[in-house]
Order: sequence, then structure tokens, then C-alpha cells
Amino acid sequence: QQQVKQSPQSLIVQKGGISIINCAYENTAFDYFPWYQQFPGKGPALLIAIRPDVSEKKEGRFTISFNKSAKQFSLHIMDSQPGDSATYFCAARYANDYKLSFGAGTTVTVRA
Amino acid sequence: EAGVAQSPRYKIIEKRQSVAFWCNPISGHATLYWYQQILGQGPKLLIQFQNNGVVDDSQLPKDRFSAERLKGVDSTLKIQPAKLEDSAVYLCASSFAGGGDEKLFFGSGTQLSVL
Repeated sequence: QQQVKQSPQSLIVQKGGISIINCAYENTAFDYFPWYQQFPGKGPALLIAIRPDVSEKKEGRFTISFNKSAKQFSLHIMDSQPGDSATYFCAARYANDYKLSFGAGTTVTVRA
Repeated sequence: EAGVAQSPRYKIIEKRQSVAFWCNPISGHATLYWYQQILGQGPKLLIQFQNNGVVDDSQLPKDRFSAERLKGVDSTLKIQPAKLEDSAVYLCASSFAGGGDEKLFFGSGTQLSVL
């Protein structure tokens, strides 16, 4: 049973456009929500993360929006660049054992 | 700083054969993880070590998978015998202590194809 549901499975965006990836969870025992970026042939790398007491976190062109009451969070990639083409995974971590549960991933393709 | 090293990069075997993967974490990282990433899915934790002790192996299919981390550094993951459904990328990750908001550092993985 997947603990974190991620959508869409894939998306295509034009260079300069905005990419939006959504994730939803049910378990209120999650206390930390990271996003990982994975390029083909490489392992995932931490991109940005947020705690549920914050509604938004921005790092450069990447922003996480967090809605605690709806149990949803999303990643926005502003001014998308071809170098952003990758698979993005949202994740949620259990507060008691720090175990990460990953979403299924979203493949983002940025067209020049 | 050197990253997490994994080998081999690719492995092709026939079902019922055995296979082993090796991981060398970042120096000084006490916590080591093995994840299985099936095509089109997110990584799934198989086993977590703290130094050379197992913290969590609840999702490791123990009838065929085994892992060890001797001397709290390198680790080996073994599958014996392999099944078709074991075809996946096996990722090793490490972190300094395994708690808090610590960042996981992943290796590039071993891509296993079971024919």
C-alpha cells in the first residue's frame, strides 16, 4: 500500500514554464517531507524539504507548498529549464522511526 | 567529498542464480540503507544499518535476501536464488547518524536484470 500518492506520472513543459507536482498522504505521523530529484542512471538527490509547521518553502526556482489540513503538498518548479528534466519523488518520513516512504515519481521533460 | 560508491553498475543473471551487490558509504556515515527501486516506482527500503547493527529489515524478503555490514563500513546485499520480480535498481544510501532532518546520500545504484 502506497503511503504517499504522487501525480502526475509525467509532464511536459516548455522552457520558462512552471512545473507542478502534487503529493497526498493519509498518515498524520509523518513529520518531514523531502523532495528528491533523480537523473537517469543516478541515485536520487535531495532537492528541498519542508516540515508541516511551515506552509511554504522556497529555494531558488523550487518551491514547496504544504497544506496540513488537506494532507497535501506540492513542488513548483518556476522558469523550468532543460536541465530540470528528471524524475522527481516526493517522500514523507515517520516521526517515530525516521523511515521514508516515497511516492511513485513524476518524470518532468522540459522542452527547449 | 567522495560520494556513495556501488558496484557493479549492471548485472544480468538468470533466475535461480545468486548475485551480490557492494556498497561503500560516505566516510564517517554511521547509517547505511539498501533500497529497491522497481521501474516506475519510488525507492522501497529493504534494510537499514546503524554502524554494523540492523535497525530495520522488516521489508527484506529474508528467504532470499541477506545483507551484512562488517566493521560498520562497507556493506553487501545478496540475493539467492533470484526471481524475475527482483529485476530492479538496488540503491545504497548513507547518512551521518540516521535521525533528525538528515540528508540521505544515494549511490548511483546497481541495475539488476533477472532473465
